[in-house]
Amino acid sequence: QSALTQPASVSGSPGQSITISCTGTSSDVGGYNYVSWYQQHPGKAPKLMIYDVSKRPSGVSNRFSGSKSGNTASLTISGLQAEDEADYYCCSYAGSSTFVVFGGGTKLTVL
Amino acid sequence: QVQLQESGPGLVKPSETLSLTCAVSGYSISSGYYWGWIRQPPGKGLEWIGSIYHSGSTYYNPSLKSRVTISVDTSKNQFSLKLSSVTAADTAVYYCARHRGNWYFDLWGRGTLVTVSS
Repeated sequence: QSALTQPASVSGSPGQSITISCTGTSSDVGGYNYVSWYQQHPGKAPKLMIYDVSKRPSGVSNRFSGSKSGNTASLTISGLQAEDEADYYCCSYAGSSTFVVFGGGTKLTVL
Repeated sequence: QVQLQESGPGLVKPSETLSLTCAVSGYSISSGYYWGWIRQPPGKGLEWIGSIYHSGSTYYNPSLKSRVTISVDTSKNQFSLKLSSVTAADTAVYYCARHRGNWYFDLWGRGTLVTVSS
């Protein structure tokens, strides 16, 4: 069982927007602004999409955005494209004993 | 550009020690950053194993701490993972990755599959 809870799957049609939630506790997501999101295509390494809750690395499309409210972080993808179909993982710093926890992952299907 | 490359045996026997190395090119490990290991069992999610700072300070997943050792060799510009007393549950793709103090992993290796089986 993963420390952070994500929906197992989400889907959307091209051009639509979807949001993936990531629920933790006050000891991880709610306690720090150190939430990151990763995209993983089959057989590939994860790719950083969002860090520090809402910052985008250079080269990542501005269709990807992140936010946080309380113990829940969210990743929103707007203008869905076929290439966005992948697994998405959230990750949070969890203090100086546990350090890092990941969510169980969400499979995004572009219909 | 900066690249990470995992290497090591693809098959390890139960109860033995899994050993992997991550070679870093295009950047000197001793210049900074944290360097970590993350694994992914087949068909499952990501699990952080542990990290090491360029100075040698280590940070481990509490659930694996008793079996994990991460070390750095700045002369070879690489860092290593040792996981002892492995079982079938340790079968996974093992990734090495770079991260900063705010714990986001911005650069990953391609990963290497390690199977634990007799």
